[in-house]
Amino acid sequence: GAVVSQHPSRVICKSGTSVKIECRSLDFQATTMFWYRQFPKQSLMLMATSNEGSKATYEQGVEKDKFLINHASLTLSTLTVTSAHPEDSSFYICSATHQGGTYEQYFGPGTRLTVT
Amino acid sequence: AQSVAQPEDQVNVAEGNPLTVKCTYSVSGNPYLFWYVQYPNRGLQFLLKYITGDNLVKGSYGFEAEFNKSQTSFHLKKPSALVSDSALYFCAVFLTDSWGKLQFGAGTQVVVTP
Repeated sequence: GAVVSQHPSRVICKSGTSVKIECRSLDFQATTMFWYRQFPKQSLMLMATSNEGSKATYEQGVEKDKFLINHASLTLSTLTVTSAHPEDSSFYICSATHQGGTYEQYFGPGTRLTVT
Repeated sequence: AQSVAQPEDQVNVAEGNPLTVKCTYSVSGNPYLFWYVQYPNRGLQFLLKYITGDNLVKGSYGFEAEFNKSQTSFHLKKPSALVSDSALYFCAVFLTDSWGKLQFGAGTQVVVTP
């Protein structure tokens, strides 16, 4: 149980275009979903926290207009990187907490974004 | 501020030898502590957690961790390492005052040689 999927697993896009990444909780309802960014061999950097039906809360330094987060249901959150640039290339990982769970986050497999 | 520290960037161990990955924490109140493992180009997999109860916590893949309040530590251990244990390991603390966020350590790369 507690499986989180992400789609796509890898995406290559051209500079200036937008890319949408989906995060789904497959077998549970997620009260909260988190979006992280990870650089090679580094820790996870939390970008934002989203709760179903409300606006995402962004961490300091994260541009909300560039990284649009929508949490439309208890099983789906999306991250859209708008007007992507090469410096946005990274590994993006989502996680979710289980409604009624005990504090741990369940992570998706990640999405490798490359902007050319 | 609540945080965890992983003092070692990398741990090298021979297959069959004991493996220890260190983590210390700094929290106000009772800590909720976690260990995750990440394989290359993959998300994080939950290994184990300490919320309350026994100080020795057993988790997935033969790993265990010992919560030590006096030393504010939560070291991850495995009695006999496998080559397949080579991965990036993260310690994390649950932030009780921040919407359930986790604060991750910097990560420790474990390399198990045959």
